[in-house]
Amino acid sequence: EAAVTQSPRNKVAVTGGKVTLSCNQTNNHNNMYWYRQDTGHGLRLIHYSYGAGSTEKGDIPDGYKASRPSQENFSLILELATPSQTSVYFCASGERQEDTQYFGPGTRLLVL
Amino acid sequence: QQQVRQSPQSLTVWEGETAILNCSYENSAFDYFPWYQQFPGEGPALLISILSVSDKKEDGRFTIFFNKREKKLSLHIADSQPGDSATYFCAASASSGSWQLIFGSGTQLTVMP
Repeated sequence: EAAVTQSPRNKVAVTGGKVTLSCNQTNNHNNMYWYRQDTGHGLRLIHYSYGAGSTEKGDIPDGYKASRPSQENFSLILELATPSQTSVYFCASGERQEDTQYFGPGTRLLVL
Repeated sequence: QQQVRQSPQSLTVWEGETAILNCSYENSAFDYFPWYQQFPGEGPALLISILSVSDKKEDGRFTIFFNKREKKLSLHIADSQPGDSATYFCAASASSGSWQLIFGSGTQLTVMP
């Protein structure tokens, strides 16, 4: 089974600060995804990647950047964090777009 | 505009009963429907899925019923157990598009012993 890990698991940030959320997967999956989960909205796709060096915008990319420096690692970057970005963020990976997505344990972000 | 809708928002059943979770969608191009199960403090995990060419998919106590004409599907959990207490997300994607998963807002299921 795919192993997806996220760090940090919890983060408190100040408004206007820079936040980097990291994700690592060890099953050599091509595709990786960043979602945020908010009550009443389910999971919404922020950015995704087809492989090292590629990043694509999802449904709600505004205020977020992504970086895929290697097959294993996918980062989500909040250059100027705002309180509206307080949420739980999940990273996921999958071999192909049509395959099962395997989710990490999530990062709980609080922006004050 | 929410493309995938779930109801009810929360559901409580007694141990041994059948829990029925509902899902509907708007986009006729959707043809793959996975259900993800999420326990508190964890990420979602695939529970069961169905393709639009089928009208039923079973896996143990879990069954998906699919009605393409009405754009509705439901997840039935037979003989519900307290360990089934979790949030269930219905999702949809289109093989003719980017295969991007669109998630519903979830149903929180509580099974009382």
